[in-house]
Amino acid sequence: DGGITQSPKYLFRKEGQNVTLSCEQNLNHDAMYWYRQDPGQGLRLIYYSQIVNDFQKGDIAEGYSVSREKKESFPLTVTSAQKNPTAFYLCASSRTVHIQETQYFGPGTRLLVL
Amino acid sequence: QKEVEQDPGPLSVPEGAIVSLNCTYSNSAFQYFMWYRQYSRKGPELLMYTYSSGNKEDGRFTAQVDKSSKYISLFIRDSQPSDSATYLCAICSGSARQLTFGSGTQLTVLP
Repeated sequence: DGGITQSPKYLFRKEGQNVTLSCEQNLNHDAMYWYRQDPGQGLRLIYYSQIVNDFQKGDIAEGYSVSREKKESFPLTVTSAQKNPTAFYLCASSRTVHIQETQYFGPGTRLLVL
Repeated sequence: QKEVEQDPGPLSVPEGAIVSLNCTYSNSAFQYFMWYRQYSRKGPELLMYTYSSGNKEDGRFTAQVDKSSKYISLFIRDSQPSDSATYLCAICSGSARQLTFGSGTQLTVLP
């Protein structure tokens, strides 16, 4: 089965803790994205990557970091600098970063703060 | 003013009804218009994609774009309970590297 997997489904973060969300795709897509979804605000772009070893900030990158060491993997770290991390996090990929390419989404990770 | 405005609903209709979902946008440079469907606790999936004014039909779904009014719509004919989901519009310009999403409209189709 081709697709995007995200883990874990639910994640709990303690005060001052960094946590990492996993995103893996086997679609052979060059571009990958991380979005945050809050109630009533739609999806907002955190980071995106056009190709391995490259990534760009989106609209709300502060308090987050990413890496793209492998084509199929694009993990997101929510750092302690992110003061309001509770949200639904969605990873997506597309064949290229060209805006006409369809973005395919993973099932999401819900992050909650203890 | 947000770049994309979408009525959050919730919208509740009886099975078989025609549903109209709408978004307005402010940037006339926007050229590409998409509708995503998101079931509860799942990731969005692309439903319709268009880049021109006019109508585009796919089965029970019709996407309509009016660039002069900066207004896009998604119509669902013969709505089914399985259509119950949140519908998100997403818009961008050709030079952009990212989509601008509406906040989503929650739809419930009652059997």
